[in-house]
Amino acid sequence: KNEVEQSPQNLTAQEGEFITINCSYSVGISALHWLQQHPGGGIVSLFMLSSGKKKHGRLIATINIQEKHSSLHITASHPRDSAVYICAASTGNQFYFGTGTSLTVIP
Amino acid sequence: EPEVTQTPSHQVTQMGQEVILRCVPISNHLYFYWYRQILGQKVEFLVSFYNNEISEKSEIFDDQFSVERPDGSNFTLKIRSTKLEDSAMYFCASRRSAPSNQPQHFGDGTRLSIL
Repeated sequence: KNEVEQSPQNLTAQEGEFITINCSYSVGISALHWLQQHPGGGIVSLFMLSSGKKKHGRLIATINIQEKHSSLHITASHPRDSAVYICAASTGNQFYFGTGTSLTVIP
Repeated sequence: EPEVTQTPSHQVTQMGQEVILRCVPISNHLYFYWYRQILGQKVEFLVSFYNNEISEKSEIFDDQFSVERPDGSNFTLKIRSTKLEDSAMYFCASRRSAPSNQPQHFGDGTRLSIL
């Protein structure tokens, strides 16, 4: 049983394309997290949100609490955006992770 | 910018041995976490720690595992009697307590290889 489901699993885009990664969750959450994992393995927290929308540079994260769905958008994608993007749901101090979306942006 | 540091970066241990993974969280952070990622699989939550005690733990975090904050700076994960299936990347993370909804900061991980 997967509490967090992501799609697509793999994504290849041309530089400059608009990218959307989707996340659905089945647990009641206190927050929804988007993380970026680089090829070397390091993890960076991109967003933590419990409602609405957040924007940071070319990255936008949205969440619909009623539908238990979140999206991560990347505008004007660039090869340096190539990484694995992970959705995680937190309930208090317990965390459930998606399997990640592997994004490759081609120049 | 302050960061979470983990040592060692790679640990090789014989099966059955005890291993301690070390983390130095960011100094004004009060919540601490351990995660693991088996090669090719998703990240899994192990345990969260606040106010010198475990606040949440997953099914993975059984009696083989323990965490400790032995002093004001280190946060350790101990695995007793390691098994082959403990081979994974282990990530430590920390976050501030306030204001609410603070993001976690992750260390670069320790790759644990059990032989």
